[in-house]
Amino acid sequence: SYVPTQPPSVSVAPGKTARITCGEDKIGTKSVHWYQQKPGQAPVLVIYYDSDRPSGIPERFSGSNSGNTATLTIGRVEAGDEADYYCQVWDSSSDHVVFGGGTKLTVL
Amino acid sequence: EVQLVESGGGLVQPGRSLRLSCAASGFTFDNYVMYWVRQPPGKGLEWVSGISWNSGHIAYADSVTGRFTISRDNAKNSLYLQMNSLRAEDTALYYCTRDLRVGATTYAFAIWGQGTMVTVSS
Repeated sequence: SYVPTQPPSVSVAPGKTARITCGEDKIGTKSVHWYQQKPGQAPVLVIYYDSDRPSGIPERFSGSNSGNTATLTIGRVEAGDEADYYCQVWDSSSDHVVFGGGTKLTVL
Repeated sequence: EVQLVESGGGLVQPGRSLRLSCAASGFTFDNYVMYWVRQPPGKGLEWVSGISWNSGHIAYADSVTGRFTISRDNAKNSLYLQMNSLRAEDTALYYCTRDLRVGATTYAFAIWGQGTMVTVSS
C-alpha cells in the first residue's frame, strides 16, 4: 500500500529554517497537501497542491515536490510553529487518501 | 462563519453500532465533497471515507470497508457516518472535513470540525 514516510521528529532553533520531508515512490507525480496540528486542536491545512498556501497561512510556509520526496519548508521558525505536521496524498490506483505518519516539530 | 460540528460519539461495546453526524453551516453544503478522518489517542491521522456532493462517488479506507457507511442529506446540511461491528481499534477522535474547492475534488481538507470521540470498549 502507498504510505508516505515522514521523520518522527525535527528540531530547529528559532529564526532558522525547518524542513520536513514526505517520501514515497514517485510522490512527485502526485499532489501533496500538508497539515499543521497543535495539541488539542484540529488540523489546519497549510499547503495544498504541493506548494500553494491557503489564505491566512504565512509566507514562511512553503512546499515543494519532486521525484520521491515532498518537502514542507518553514522559514524563520517561531515558537508558535511547534506542532505535528502531516503530509497527505490521494492514491489514484486505490482511490484512497493516505496520510504520512506525522512529524513533531520542536522549536529549541 | 464556516463551521462543522460533529456529534454522536460515545462509549460503545465491541460489536455494537454508532452513528455520527456532522452539521455544516456558513457555506453551500451541496457544492462540496465531504470526508471523515479519525485520530486514535496519541496517534496520527487516518482517512476514513469520502463522499461526493451528490453521493454519486463514495470511497472507504480498507480498515472500515463493509462496516462503515458514509451518507449525506443536502437538505439538512448534514454528513453522517454509520459505524457497525465496532472494534477496539476504531477508538478515535472522528473529524468531519470539507474539501478545499467548490464543485471540485482536490482531496485537500480545508475545513475541520473539532471532532467527536468514539471509544469502543467492554
